[in-house]
Amino acid sequence: ETGVTQTPRHLVMGMTNKKSLKCEQHLGHNAMYWYKQSAKKPLELMFVYSLEERVENNSVPSRFSPECPNSSHLFLHLHTLQPEDSALYLCASSQDLAGLSNSPLHFGNGTRLTVT
Amino acid sequence: GQNIDQPTEMTATEGAIVQINCTYQTSGFNGLFWYQQHAGEAPTFLSYNVLDGLEEKGRFSSFLSRSKGYSYLLLKELQMKDSASYLCAVTPRGQAGTALIFGKGTTLSVSS
Repeated sequence: ETGVTQTPRHLVMGMTNKKSLKCEQHLGHNAMYWYKQSAKKPLELMFVYSLEERVENNSVPSRFSPECPNSSHLFLHLHTLQPEDSALYLCASSQDLAGLSNSPLHFGNGTRLTVT
Repeated sequence: GQNIDQPTEMTATEGAIVQINCTYQTSGFNGLFWYQQHAGEAPTFLSYNVLDGLEEKGRFSSFLSRSKGYSYLLLKELQMKDSASYLCAVTPRGQAGTALIFGKGTTLSVSS
């Protein structure tokens, strides 16, 4: 496999559920990101990791909890979400931190999350 | 604050040329990216500009003016498959804790 792979592609969960989104990159990149994409809004940065260390928590509610066990894998753990959290969640990776270099982001196809 | 503006929607016909504009105000600047996103798919990288001027890549070109905080993406010889959302994104300068800041995207519809 090549590129950035996200699972699941679609997820429906209730507000009391706990679920996790998974992202895997096969590009040998050092940085990984979670973005949220909602209709009519720009992509919103949620979390940034560089070499498995979190660089920034962009004021994201604690009901979203990231985990980066190694430089190839990134998780987003979800619990007690709200209906307004329904969105497309995109994972991305880059060779080096995008804020410090011109490394382009490579995105996965995203997880379409619906909170009922 | 950080602000990136681009038109919400544009329409064009096959074979035509279309220019998608992007203006930005950000705290520092370390480059501007253009991405293409087809419905239901991942955004894919199109171009990167950090110096003023035009970068050409086949049917697609991207222009940057840093003094004006302005960029455009030029698409020539439009094809139906170019119907997609085009995202302008800026990297603020030297901030380790940030990544790309995106505009809302411009949805381009190409008709025959």
